[in-house]
Amino acid sequence: EVQLVESGGGLVQPGGSLRLSCAASGFTFSSYSMNWVRQAPGKGLEWVSYISTSGSTIYYADSVKGRFTISRDNAKNSLYLQMNSLRDDDTAVYYCARSSSSFAGVDYWGQGTLVTVSS
Amino acid sequence: QSVLTQPPSASGTPGQRVTISCSGSSSNIGSNSVNWYQQLPGTAPKLVIYSNNQRPSGVPDRFSGSKSGTSASLAISGLQSEDEADYYCAAWDDSLNGWVFGGGTKLTVL
Repeated sequence: EVQLVESGGGLVQPGGSLRLSCAASGFTFSSYSMNWVRQAPGKGLEWVSYISTSGSTIYYADSVKGRFTISRDNAKNSLYLQMNSLRDDDTAVYYCARSSSSFAGVDYWGQGTLVTVSS
Repeated sequence: QSVLTQPPSASGTPGQRVTISCSGSSSNIGSNSVNWYQQLPGTAPKLVIYSNNQRPSGVPDRFSGSKSGTSASLAISGLQSEDEADYYCAAWDDSLNGWVFGGGTKLTVL
């Protein structure tokens, strides 16, 4: 069974930093590209970042470019999101999401971790 | 403002057929396939349609999808109370080099 478990969320002040982690199990992590997708309270889904299987290809949404860094450790079956210079509008549930290997899109999602940016 | 445009709400009575539209552009829906996600209250999104019109195993055949040009739609027939949820369309955008989502449609079963 595919499992994606996020951790690292919490309350942080504007301008602060936070590192999210996603522990993957139930599949060969190194064979799948991964994503972070977020959802502000009461709002829709917003894609944040993508990383390829080896980490050689990385994309970011314009809203986080230069502030967030995605990375992965295939030996530890883990995905990360380093978030710096956090702003109020970064407040959201952050989902770890697996890209399918058979079609263009996300096929599995974690349960999410809440990040609250507030003074 | 979402890149893909969906109606904010839709509704139907049990047993009815409802359709949710998703409008995009040549850089996303016009050149890439569309996926649909169902999000029940307080839970993570779940894939219900991929590659425009394919159903993952376990998704009832009441769910169907289609795409034409720069628009796509999700249809749910034989509506059931358990279908009440938010639905999102998504596609890769070649100009943005990222996934784009619709703003979501809240489906109410009356």
